[in-house]
Amino acid sequence: NAGVTQTPKFQVLKTGQSMTLQCAQDMNHNSMYWYRQDPGMGLRLIYYSASEGTTDKGEVPNGYNVSRLNKREFSLRLESAAPSQTSVYFCASSEGQYPSYEQYFGPGTRLTVT
Amino acid sequence: AQSVTQPDIHITVSEGASLELRCNYSYGATPYLFWYVQSPGQGLQLLLKYFSGDTLVQGIKGFEAEFKRSQSSFNLRKPSVHWSDAAEYFCAVGVSFGNEKLTFGTGTRLTIIP
Repeated sequence: NAGVTQTPKFQVLKTGQSMTLQCAQDMNHNSMYWYRQDPGMGLRLIYYSASEGTTDKGEVPNGYNVSRLNKREFSLRLESAAPSQTSVYFCASSEGQYPSYEQYFGPGTRLTVT
Repeated sequence: AQSVTQPDIHITVSEGASLELRCNYSYGATPYLFWYVQSPGQGLQLLLKYFSGDTLVQGIKGFEAEFKRSQSSFNLRKPSVHWSDAAEYFCAVGVSFGNEKLTFGTGTRLTIIP
């Protein structure tokens, strides 16, 4: 099992450019999540999907959109990148049902916006 | 809403010494509690979790944590650290009954000196 995979690993964008971060999981999990990690701020939830076909905003959704393409895949889109979106982005998945709320993380995408 | 506090931003310990990382949570009912570890440039890996029952839980890599309801704490311990334990450690809390989201602390960076 690959677990949670993310592409790309690294990306450099210019201000105003758009891009999509891809995430896939092979654990048949119901729930998927996108986080950003910034120094001294821990992980902040951007969007999550409790099940296929549903998405909800997290703590910091502004400037992002998501698509839960199917049960395996959950993508994050930046429509017009800004320097404030320079961060490391992590995708995670979870069974999302008692008692299995633990989340499994991908390796991350390091994004720089210039 | 639930919250998590990790009061120590950075801890340095000698190899072979014991370790305790602090985590305090705020939530009215019994939470689900997790500890994750992040090695440099990597994603987060689950060390251990608490849902109910025995308040002392064992995890991977020789770590354990104790849930203390009276102190709203879930501190992570290891009797003897190894150089490979150098990493960032995150405590996370989830609420009971149906909320699939986790709230993460801001992390504690652990440095090991020979």
